[in-house]
Amino acid sequence: TQLLEQSPQFLSIQEGENLTVYCNSSSVFSSLQWYRQEPGEGPVLLVTVVTGGEVKKLKRLTFQFGDARKDSSLHITAAQPGDTGLYLCAGAFGAGGTSYGKLTFGQGTILTVHP
Amino acid sequence: EAGVTQSPTHLIKTRGQQATLRCSPISGHTSVYWYQQALGLGLQFLLWYDEGEERNRGNFPPRFSGRQFPNYSSELNVNALELEDSALYLCASSLGLAGIGETQYFGPGTRLLVL
Repeated sequence: TQLLEQSPQFLSIQEGENLTVYCNSSSVFSSLQWYRQEPGEGPVLLVTVVTGGEVKKLKRLTFQFGDARKDSSLHITAAQPGDTGLYLCAGAFGAGGTSYGKLTFGQGTILTVHP
Repeated sequence: EAGVTQSPTHLIKTRGQQATLRCSPISGHTSVYWYQQALGLGLQFLLWYDEGEERNRGNFPPRFSGRQFPNYSSELNVNALELEDSALYLCASSLGLAGIGETQYFGPGTRLLVL
């Protein structure tokens, strides 16, 4: 069974600070997706990373995929109150077996940015 | 372009009853996925349908079942409801075929409450 460890579970910071969220597994991902979820709503896709070593930027958000495709990170620069929400990483582990097609989610990081 | 839609938004049932949840994927997407997000348990994979067939199933009892229609919309049925079935049920869709590394786009969810 593939597991995805996401940390930290909670993050409370002041506006303007930087932060990093980590996502790790002992298994190799075929791809990894980061989502943000508001209470009572579905997760909204932020980015998909596929290639080991890949770095993607989305405004103040920077996503990295580890060279070995076993870990990923989300870095937010100069956080704003509008960044508050639940951040989820989700990995796809490739073809065949019980992992086929499904996403395995991390536990999530609840981010609160105070004005 | 319309995103993934789900109905109803909220559903209240009593123990032992049956619940039917519906999902319409993004136009052009042939794969539909169902996830359960219960409080404190994170997102758990339930079912994956592609081209009308069940492709994979998560670790849930048989009373969780579903189907995919020729227009690629999908139904999730939960029989003999139990209190612990109370959760947000999320549907996602992707461009089909392999299901490997395909980005999954989520709907807003159906909140099921079992009394």
